[in-house]
Amino acid sequence: DAGVTQSPTHLIKTRGQHVTLRCSPISGHKSVSWYQQVLGQGPQFIFQYYEKEERGRGNFPDRFSARQFPNYSSELNVNALLLGDSALYLCASSLTGREKLFFGSGTQLSVL
Amino acid sequence: DQQVKQNSPSLSVQEGRISILNCDYTNSMFDYFLWYKKYPAEGPTFLISISSIKDKNEDGRFTVFLNKSAKHLSLHIVPSQPGDSAVYFCAAIWSGGTSYGKLTFGQGTILTVHP
Repeated sequence: DAGVTQSPTHLIKTRGQHVTLRCSPISGHKSVSWYQQVLGQGPQFIFQYYEKEERGRGNFPDRFSARQFPNYSSELNVNALLLGDSALYLCASSLTGREKLFFGSGTQLSVL
Repeated sequence: DQQVKQNSPSLSVQEGRISILNCDYTNSMFDYFLWYKKYPAEGPTFLISISSIKDKNEDGRFTVFLNKSAKHLSLHIVPSQPGDSAVYFCAAIWSGGTSYGKLTFGQGTILTVHP
């Protein structure tokens, strides 16, 4: 069975650009969460979606947005990139969002 | 405000011995705790969890202990194996919260198990 898949695996952008990260959850999982992991820190919650509705948002600026599609896949968008946005972006899925999360391998974003 | 803290950035253990990883939390609303393991270039992998109504949960070589009064939990690995070398994250969740997909993670502890 396929796990959580994320694309791309690596990405290099420059300041001010926009980026879109993609995530496909495990088949049957309806909840997708996004996390940002800066080097040396634990993952930090950005968003959670369940059945295409936003169910939670972390302490991130409005430059960060996300959506979930009818097939439960999800996109994370970041506008006006800053150097500090350089991080590993992790997507996680679960059946309803109230159980343990299954994480993808992440997208490593570097902003130059 | 770091609500989940892992105060030991790293831990080095000999193969076959016990590894004890510690975690403290400040938010008394947390009612479910999880441990994740992370290898380089991979996403975190779920290891073991414990509900706040229990004080111990065991799964093979892994045991998690919860001390609610001290707001402290620990992960014991016995016996430790070189393949256990990874970053271990403690995480907590409030199942009654509106952001029920929101895990709050600690900073992680790098475990190195020497042969």
